[in-house]
Amino acid sequence: DGGITQSPKYLFRKEGQNVTLSCEQNLNHDAMYWYRQDPGQGLRLIYYSQIVNDFQKGDIAEGYSVSREKKESFPLTVTSAQKNPTAFYLCASSWDRVNTEAFFGQGTRLTVV
Amino acid sequence: AQSVTQLGSHVSVSEGALVLLRCNYSSSVPPYLFWYVQYPNQGLQLLLKYTSAATLVKGINGFEAEFKKSETSFHLTKPSAHMSDAAEYFCAVIGASGGGADGLTFGKGTHLIIQP
Repeated sequence: DGGITQSPKYLFRKEGQNVTLSCEQNLNHDAMYWYRQDPGQGLRLIYYSQIVNDFQKGDIAEGYSVSREKKESFPLTVTSAQKNPTAFYLCASSWDRVNTEAFFGQGTRLTVV
Repeated sequence: AQSVTQLGSHVSVSEGALVLLRCNYSSSVPPYLFWYVQYPNQGLQLLLKYTSAATLVKGINGFEAEFKKSETSFHLTKPSAHMSDAAEYFCAVIGASGGGADGLTFGKGTHLIIQP
């Protein structure tokens, strides 16, 4: 079955550590996205990529980094520079960034301990 | 630029009653509009989408939404609420003319509570 897989589902991070969240899709979509979700704030765009080897900052990119070396993979690294990383992170993909809906993974809940 | 406003962060209805979740948008170009549903600790699932065809759009689980250009609205309705409808609902907009970096813009979400 085609879809988007995020791993792990739950992740715990010590302060000062970098952690990487995985996102893989087998939908052959060109565009991929990372969103952060906090209670009452909806979804906020962290980074997006429209094509392999290219990505752009979203609204809240500070303290995060991404790579897009393969079409099907778009990992997100939460760095120690991100002051408040505890949140629910959602990865999504779409055929393009223009006219089509996004398909979402099941999310990763990151908690700083 | 585009934006979405969802009126009411929480909506409570009785089981069997009408569900109405409100969404107003602003877009400088003719929009495509979407409703997504999110169950606890899960990703978002597409309920329905408007892409400039029929103004009344039918989606999954008995939901439908009507695009009203004059009111810049895209409200979500369901005639009879079921306990399984309890979830978070998000309205989203994208500019149909394409280009730029806006992409999908989401509202802040409405938490639907179903009372027995």
